[in-house]
Amino acid sequence: ILNVEQSPQSLHVQEGDSTNFTCSFPSSNFYALHWYRWETAKSPEALFVMTLNGDEKKKGRISATLNTKEGYSYLYIKGSQPEDSATYLCAPIGDSGAGSYQLTFGKGTKLSVIP
Amino acid sequence: ETGVTQTPRHLVMGMTNKKSLKCEQHLGHNAMYWYKQSAKKPLELMFVYNFKEQTENNSVPSRFSPECPNSSHLFLHLHTLQPEDSALYLCASSQDLGLAVDNEQFFGPGTRLTVL
Repeated sequence: ILNVEQSPQSLHVQEGDSTNFTCSFPSSNFYALHWYRWETAKSPEALFVMTLNGDEKKKGRISATLNTKEGYSYLYIKGSQPEDSATYLCAPIGDSGAGSYQLTFGKGTKLSVIP
Repeated sequence: ETGVTQTPRHLVMGMTNKKSLKCEQHLGHNAMYWYKQSAKKPLELMFVYNFKEQTENNSVPSRFSPECPNSSHLFLHLHTLQPEDSALYLCASSQDLGLAVDNEQFFGPGTRLTVL
């Protein structure tokens, strides 16, 4: 089981502001990292799967970067909108020790965008 | 529509009851997962099935018993649960267990379980 830290735990921003949050994970035993977006009363939804150091992925106003050497990933949201309000989960994949690979989820960053 | 459905959405049961959670995926995936989310804790992986075979059991108590009759259906049988087992139980599926960048997991909406 990997030690995954996400910060901040929660965040309130005004509509139109840009924001970012962090996912930290052990740089050893790393194979890939997933980001998920989880709106209240809905299912978690995959945003990005990242594998390579220096990867940068983008989907609309949301982007993510990956640094596997230092063990962190940033998620950026440009021009936040109320519909961006959700909990953002990161989940690195490491070898569970039995030759299989598991996602280990962080507690998430809960984003609230104020209209 | 995520392609992964779970029933029931809410369940209240006593400690002596036996109940089952059901998950169905319509995505043609080969791997299916059960996760548990307790209050103020991250999502915890419970079980993994790949091509109907269980590949992971993360030290889950035997009062939780999974069943995967085919690649589209996954059950979690519950018996003699404890109040601390109250949580949100999520099912997910993925194409397989690989590390490919397109191998994200698709989640169902979850079952909110309360054990009295």
